[in-house]
Amino acid sequence: GQQVMQIPQYQHVQEGEDFTTYCNSSTTLSNIQWYKQRPGGHPVFLIQLVKSGEVKKQKRLTFQFGEAKKNSSLHITATQTTDVGTYFCAGPWVSDYKLSFGAGTTVTVRA
Amino acid sequence: DVKVTQSSRYLVKRTGEKVFLECVQDMDHENMFWYRQDPGLGLRLIYFSYDVKMKEKGDIPEGYSVSREKKERFSLILESASTNQTSMYLCASNRGMNTEAFFGQGTRLTVV
Repeated sequence: GQQVMQIPQYQHVQEGEDFTTYCNSSTTLSNIQWYKQRPGGHPVFLIQLVKSGEVKKQKRLTFQFGEAKKNSSLHITATQTTDVGTYFCAGPWVSDYKLSFGAGTTVTVRA
Repeated sequence: DVKVTQSSRYLVKRTGEKVFLECVQDMDHENMFWYRQDPGLGLRLIYFSYDVKMKEKGDIPEGYSVSREKKERFSLILESASTNQTSMYLCASNRGMNTEAFFGQGTRLTVV
């Protein structure tokens, strides 16, 4: 069936370093959304990408949507302790109401 | 301030009990979703609804049912709770398939 896969599952980062997490869908997405869940909290929307090849930035976070609209990435530069949490990608497939999430990338930061 | 409210933060139920998890949103959203979250498995979609009285199965509907009698309320029902349904349950809503989803605070259900 249709799936959204995320890698890596865990990312341990030294404070100040950069890292990237990847999201891949088995079929074309209508759009891709990214959420962040802090420890003990609920997922909170970060951003949505709609167009093929779209790139958006939020301060130190850069989000990219693939040309085929089947993959996406989140790149964080100069990681800070405030970046700790689990990052999920999610997307409805074309002509579908269903919002399916990847398994998430859990980020821990070493000070 | 937009809100999705789940009726309980923590719940302990016995095996075999019928369990109701309630979710209310105040944003007049069309779509509502129920997920369960387990370590390493992310958010798995149980059921969703795109209109009043309309529902569709998600990826793991077995052992669950839902009810949406009013637009603002979406209930998840465990007909006969089992220990493998111990999990964090999250409700979410959005206006349409290309819009952001808002989540409730979650209900941690323990079935003993």
